[in-house]
Amino acid sequence: GEDVEQSLFLSVREGDSSVINCTYTDSSSTYLYWYKQEPGAGLQLLTYIFSNMDMKQDQRLTVLLNKKDKHLSLRIADTQTGDSAIYFCAEGQAGTALIFGKGTTLSVSS
Amino acid sequence: DAMVIQNPRYQVTQFGKPVTLSCSQTLNHNVMYWYQQKSSQAPKLLFHYYDKDFNNEADTPDNFQSRRPNTSFCFLDIRSPGLGDAAMYLCATSRGTGGITPLHFGNGTRLTVT
Repeated sequence: GEDVEQSLFLSVREGDSSVINCTYTDSSSTYLYWYKQEPGAGLQLLTYIFSNMDMKQDQRLTVLLNKKDKHLSLRIADTQTGDSAIYFCAEGQAGTALIFGKGTTLSVSS
Repeated sequence: DAMVIQNPRYQVTQFGKPVTLSCSQTLNHNVMYWYQQKSSQAPKLLFHYYDKDFNNEADTPDNFQSRRPNTSFCFLDIRSPGLGDAAMYLCATSRGTGGITPLHFGNGTRLTVT
């Protein structure tokens, strides 16, 4: 069945770049999403990429999609302490619910 | 700002005592969802409404029910909460169904069962 895998933890220093990786199994996925969840809050949509794109950049965020390998990454440039949160990757296609990964906890130390 | 609002933020209920969680939206989205999220896990979809059409996930326990009296409001009713139902409950909306439109989440209600 469909599955979305992420590493559970990532620790970086303030000012460094963070790269959060995600793999998915369903080649029919149309959209790939990144959500951010801060402690005690809901999920906030960060960015998403359509499956016919390789890359999308939005300020400090860069999303890379390797459709052949079913690999998605989120790069955060100049990581700040306010970026500390759980980051969820999700895949979606028409007619089915989004499938979320278990989330990657990003810890940023000053 | 258009948003998804969940009340209350924290809810404590007793084992077996019915509880209702509320969600409202000002986005005028067709679809409203309820997710259950336990610690260190992905959100798990319980059910969703497309307008008035109710769609239950196959593995959602009968203990969980939902009501959507109008476009703006959706309720999650837990008829007889067990200790295993303690979790964060997230409401979300989207313009359309499926995974091709982004979800907009509320801040969640954290349910404690004593």
